[in-house]
Amino acid sequence: DAGVIQSPRHEVTEMGQEVTLRCKPISGHDYLFWYRQTMMRGLELLIYFNNNVPIDDSGMPEDRFSAKMPNASFSTLKIQPSEPRDSAVYFCASSLQLAYTDTQYFGPGTRLTVL
Amino acid sequence: KNQVEQSPQSLIILEGKNCTLQCNYTVSPFSNLRWYKQDTGRGPVSLTIMTFSENTKSNGRYTATLDADTKQSSLHITASQLSDSASYICVVSPYSSGGSYIPTFGRGTSLIVHP
Repeated sequence: DAGVIQSPRHEVTEMGQEVTLRCKPISGHDYLFWYRQTMMRGLELLIYFNNNVPIDDSGMPEDRFSAKMPNASFSTLKIQPSEPRDSAVYFCASSLQLAYTDTQYFGPGTRLTVL
Repeated sequence: KNQVEQSPQSLIILEGKNCTLQCNYTVSPFSNLRWYKQDTGRGPVSLTIMTFSENTKSNGRYTATLDADTKQSSLHITASQLSDSASYICVVSPYSSGGSYIPTFGRGTSLIVHP
């Protein structure tokens, strides 16, 4: 398996524009997670899905952020409208289950810069 | 409020030397603690995971310890190599009878190994 795939790897956009980040989890993994990483706040869990259903989105910072998982092999994180403070690295991760023994496998991340 | 504090924030050592990274947490009730290694420009990779009943776990030259009473963990790296240069992140997950999963992340220790 190629691991978790994220696209694009880098995104530069202007304030007010819509941004869509994409993720393909590892095949067979039931859980998908979206994280944000900044120098100031470190890693933060934004939302996670189980079998394509959002379970907890309490980490989503504002209504400008939305995430979907239309099928087991694809998820998107959308920011509309984007703001400079959204600049961060966004990671997608997947795992087989949620048990503590289950390892989350992270993608390479999308570095987002909002000008 | 659940918190995870890591120290030192950064560390520089010579190749071949040992080092120890610290993690203190206030997450309660406690479920498990993970250490991740994050290379520059990559996603985090799990090194070790421990529950409250485990006080040590090894993964090659990496050894993690856990004292659930004092809520402290350490990651010891033996005979450091240049490839150990990375950020090391401590992540603590609470126990939730409702099944939800919201971990608390430390901000990481940046380790640089010099030849």
